[in-house]
Amino acid sequence: QKEVEQDPGPLSVPEGAIVSLNCTYSNSAFQYFMWYRQYSRKGPELLMYTYSSGNKEDGRFTAQVDKSSKYISLFIRDSQPSDSATYLCAMSAVNFNKFYFGSGTKLNVKP
Amino acid sequence: GAGVSQSPSNKVTEKGKDVELRCDPISGHTALYWYRQSLGQGLEFLIYFQGNSAPDKSGLPSDRFSAERTGGSVSTLTIQRTQQEDSAVYLCASRPPVNTEAFFGQGTRLTVV
Repeated sequence: QKEVEQDPGPLSVPEGAIVSLNCTYSNSAFQYFMWYRQYSRKGPELLMYTYSSGNKEDGRFTAQVDKSSKYISLFIRDSQPSDSATYLCAMSAVNFNKFYFGSGTKLNVKP
Repeated sequence: GAGVSQSPSNKVTEKGKDVELRCDPISGHTALYWYRQSLGQGLEFLIYFQGNSAPDKSGLPSDRFSAERTGGSVSTLTIQRTQQEDSAVYLCASRPPVNTEAFFGQGTRLTVV
């Protein structure tokens, strides 16, 4: 079993839709949770990070962490065609010696 | 520079040759990571450097892979006797000493033919 599970998609939505992306994990030592966006043939770009449980909002993006369920989410409001990319969740324990990544969800926002 | 810089951006090599991939981290970042991303896959951890501590090499897939970090800055990932299964995008990331966020470079796309 992988330490981080993420539905690979692809996920196709119309412009303006609310998108929900999710990851589950098995290691209770994870304390830091991140979402990266990766455009084709580019490196991952950090979108958001959160510590422990709770919500964090940044513009159209909201990250949620539920440590009791070992479940994290990224919500994108008013999705735009420019949001079309692969979204990777990542997490780490407090020592940061490595980040564990999901396999990525490919999102396509149709104009 | 403003971000993590990797070179070359693309590398095509013949099976059995050695290759060196370079990473210039963001100035002041003490932590440096190498990851590998195969087509349609997530990121696979390779190695982690933190300051002057011994690197965490637990992700290196075989003894053909090695990495070093000189002067706490530039890092080189070396793959000896390349195999076709080594074809992937090799990503480098750096992280500042206090913050949690790791910033990635654009990657080196390695193709072994």
